[in-house]
Amino acid sequence: GAGVSQSPSNKVTEKGKDVELRCDPISGHTALYWYRQSLGQGLEFLIYFQGNSAPDKSGLPSDRFSAERTGGSVSTLTIQRTQQEDSAVYLCASSQRQGQYFGPGTRLTVT
Amino acid sequence: QKEVEQNSGPLSVPEGAIASLNCTYSDRGSQSFFWYRQYSGKSPELIMFIYSNGDKEDGRFTAQLNKASQYVSLLIRDSQPSDSATYLCADGINDYKLSFGAGTTVTVRA
Repeated sequence: GAGVSQSPSNKVTEKGKDVELRCDPISGHTALYWYRQSLGQGLEFLIYFQGNSAPDKSGLPSDRFSAERTGGSVSTLTIQRTQQEDSAVYLCASSQRQGQYFGPGTRLTVT
Repeated sequence: QKEVEQNSGPLSVPEGAIASLNCTYSDRGSQSFFWYRQYSGKSPELIMFIYSNGDKEDGRFTAQLNKASQYVSLLIRDSQPSDSATYLCADGINDYKLSFGAGTTVTVRA
């Protein structure tokens, strides 16, 4: 079946601009996660959605970052007023028990 | 704060040998444990999960869990050059929100 999809695959933006990253989870998966991975680094947890519960936003690095999940499916991660330190690969994952399945990621470059 | 610790490596093994990766975790409440493989420039891929003490085998991979000592390991038998990747360990209180280690880089020498 179809895996997790993310768009765009690459995004180059100027410092100070807003960006939106999209994630389509595996159909039927109730949980959705956003992570950030800088070059050569581990996974940094950002936010977690589980069904209709309030999201766990404990990993968001600043109030410039926000995320929504509409209809329990598609999610959008928004970064406002981007900074150069926001440059990273943003990974989305979904799960329905027994592990998380990752999308291919969006590589964000802030110039 | 939950921590998952892994030796960053690199771990270099000859082709055909056994690669042994170790991971320790800090949260005694953790119940589920996962191993992911991440090729350079790609996203993590789930390869094994284990919930109970002891060994779990899947093909050339064996996961070992020891909750009393709070460690989980991954053995890769008959290592192949295609196994060269970074291996991430993760734990969780349930199957959902996980804590990831920084990963161990494995290089299999042909």
